[in-house]
Amino acid sequence: AQKITQTQPGMFVQEKEAVTLDCTYDTSDPSYGLFWYKQPSSGEMIFLIYQGSYDQQNATEGRYSLNFQKARKSANLVISASQLGDSAMYFCAMREGNDMRFGAGTRLTVKP
Amino acid sequence: GAVVSQHPSRVICKSGTSVKIECRSLDFQATTMFWYRQFPKQSLMLMATSNEGSKATYEQGVEKDKFLINHASLTLSTLTVTSAHPEDSSFYICSATPTASYGYTFGSGTRLTVV
Repeated sequence: AQKITQTQPGMFVQEKEAVTLDCTYDTSDPSYGLFWYKQPSSGEMIFLIYQGSYDQQNATEGRYSLNFQKARKSANLVISASQLGDSAMYFCAMREGNDMRFGAGTRLTVKP
Repeated sequence: GAVVSQHPSRVICKSGTSVKIECRSLDFQATTMFWYRQFPKQSLMLMATSNEGSKATYEQGVEKDKFLINHASLTLSTLTVTSAHPEDSSFYICSATPTASYGYTFGSGTRLTVV
């Protein structure tokens, strides 16, 4: 069963505007971690942000913030002040125990 | 810190030959490493979990005799694609995490093309 769902195959945003990438997850484990990774065309996986299931506050890292709604099992990524270099694939991932599983990804294109 | 090195970055091989991909944790010890495969325009799919000093755990549908994993030391895991076929052409990427850390660090990936 799909545990991580990203419903937006592609998103467009104007440079300097904010964009939200959606992610929902499914787990019965009370302890888990949620991640967002960026994958440019070079293929490398770049860690962006992490949210633990017990964290009370939403995670933030520079222009990235994670809108964590535990009851809804959603962990949306918000990128503020988009830059052209933000154009890439973005993957949401969940860690349960040792396993890390990925969503299908969202291709973000930033328009000048 | 937490750097994972993967080699080679690209490899082209003939159908029927074997290819070995190395994944090294450079500045930490990793008792567990993970191997993923990514087809074009798709997500990363976990293939197997590599455990130091013991057998790897393979995901359902992944042929263990075709994708041989060896994790002989705390800093090195290898994935060997045996008797490669064109359908094995893909992007293979490994990851590892330092003990007691939440984060996973990924290697730079290996693009395998079987001709």
